[in-house]
Amino acid sequence: DQQVKQNSPSLSVQEGRISILNCDYTNSMFDYFLWYKKYPAEGPTFLISISSIKDKNEDGRFTVFLNKSAKHLSLHIVPSQPGDSAVYFCAASSGDAGNQFYFGTGTSLTVIP
Amino acid sequence: DVKVTQSSRYLVKRTGEKVFLECVQDMDHENMFWYRQDPGLGLRLIYFSYDVKMKEKGDIPEGYSVSREKKERFSLILESASTNQTSMYLCASRGVLNEKLFFGSGTQLSVL
Repeated sequence: DQQVKQNSPSLSVQEGRISILNCDYTNSMFDYFLWYKKYPAEGPTFLISISSIKDKNEDGRFTVFLNKSAKHLSLHIVPSQPGDSAVYFCAASSGDAGNQFYFGTGTSLTVIP
Repeated sequence: DVKVTQSSRYLVKRTGEKVFLECVQDMDHENMFWYRQDPGLGLRLIYFSYDVKMKEKGDIPEGYSVSREKKERFSLILESASTNQTSMYLCASRGVLNEKLFFGSGTQLSVL
């Protein structure tokens, strides 16, 4: 049973515009959320995270929003660049370090020059 | 920076072969993980380990085993490879005080 869902398998955005990637989760015990970026034939790299005590975290062009009541988080990329073209995975965990991370199925972002 | 090294980037094996995938991390992390990534299915956890000689099953452990004899090394073993184990295998590590996972570059395994 998928506890973390990314319902959009793909997204295309013009360069310079905003990219919004969405993620939903079902387990209310999740208290830490992360976004990873993955290029083909490479391992995922950490992008940004947010704790459940916050509703927003920003790092340069990347902002993650968390809506706990809706069990929804989103990643905003502004402005989008062609180098942002990759697969983005959201992940969630609960409890102390060592517990499982649950990953979504990924959204493939294409930024069109 | 944390380095997680997977021994092979690409591997081709025959059905029925025993396959070893090796992973080494250099940051003294307690926790290590093996995932597989398949199109449309995301990352699925096979096994993880929170200490030397300790292992826990993830969501899809069938057909796999693991070994953690030393803290820095976590091996994934396919006892008898099958074609449905063709996949990208990703190793990751995480420290007790560090919340995020650090991934290796992945091993693309093809079982023919």
